[in-house]
Amino acid sequence: GAGVSQSPSNKVTEKGKDVELRCDPISGHTALYWYRQSLGQGLEFLIYFQGNSAPDKSGLPSDRFSAERTGGSVSTLTIQRTQQEDSAVYLCASSWATLAGGSYNEQFFGPGTRLTVL
Amino acid sequence: QKEVEQNSGPLSVPEGAIASLNCTYSDRGSQSFFWYRQYSGKSPELIMFIYSNGDKEDGRFTAQLNKASQYVSLLIRDSQPSDSATYLCAVNIGGDFGNEKLTFGTGTRLTIIP
Repeated sequence: GAGVSQSPSNKVTEKGKDVELRCDPISGHTALYWYRQSLGQGLEFLIYFQGNSAPDKSGLPSDRFSAERTGGSVSTLTIQRTQQEDSAVYLCASSWATLAGGSYNEQFFGPGTRLTVL
Repeated sequence: QKEVEQNSGPLSVPEGAIASLNCTYSDRGSQSFFWYRQYSGKSPELIMFIYSNGDKEDGRFTAQLNKASQYVSLLIRDSQPSDSATYLCAVNIGGDFGNEKLTFGTGTRLTIIP
């Protein structure tokens, strides 16, 4: 089966523009996560979906960031009015269940979208 | 204090030797622990997870967990040049429904010297 896919793989945009990043999780995975990794930094949690609901949005850095998930599958992360500090690799991960559902929440990552804001 | 701490390295190990990577975490309620390998320019790849005290072995990899000391480690036996990568320790605090995120350390860069 296919792994997590993300598009685009690279995105260069000008400061102030809006961008949309897409994630297609592993088929059957109910949980979906967005993280970002800045150069030389660890992975930073952004938001988590269980189905189409987002129980944890605590990592979104500002109200310029939003995400949605439809049909329990594809998710889109939108960054409005991009700033240079938004430049990072945005990683999506999925897992088949949650701790509440009895798994250990092994998360599998997609290849990421490298965002560069000029 | 950072929630998940790792020595950033670089850690250099001769080919064929044992590489030992260490990680400490601050939240005593943490339930599951993960090791990811990340090659330069690539995304993290899950290599091991552990949730019970003790050792868990998978091929050349052994994960060790000591919840009393809040310590998790990864041993790589018979190190190969292809093991050269950054190793990320991640912790799932778990608990209430919705608290499913992984908290990552900043990673240890491992270099295997031929």
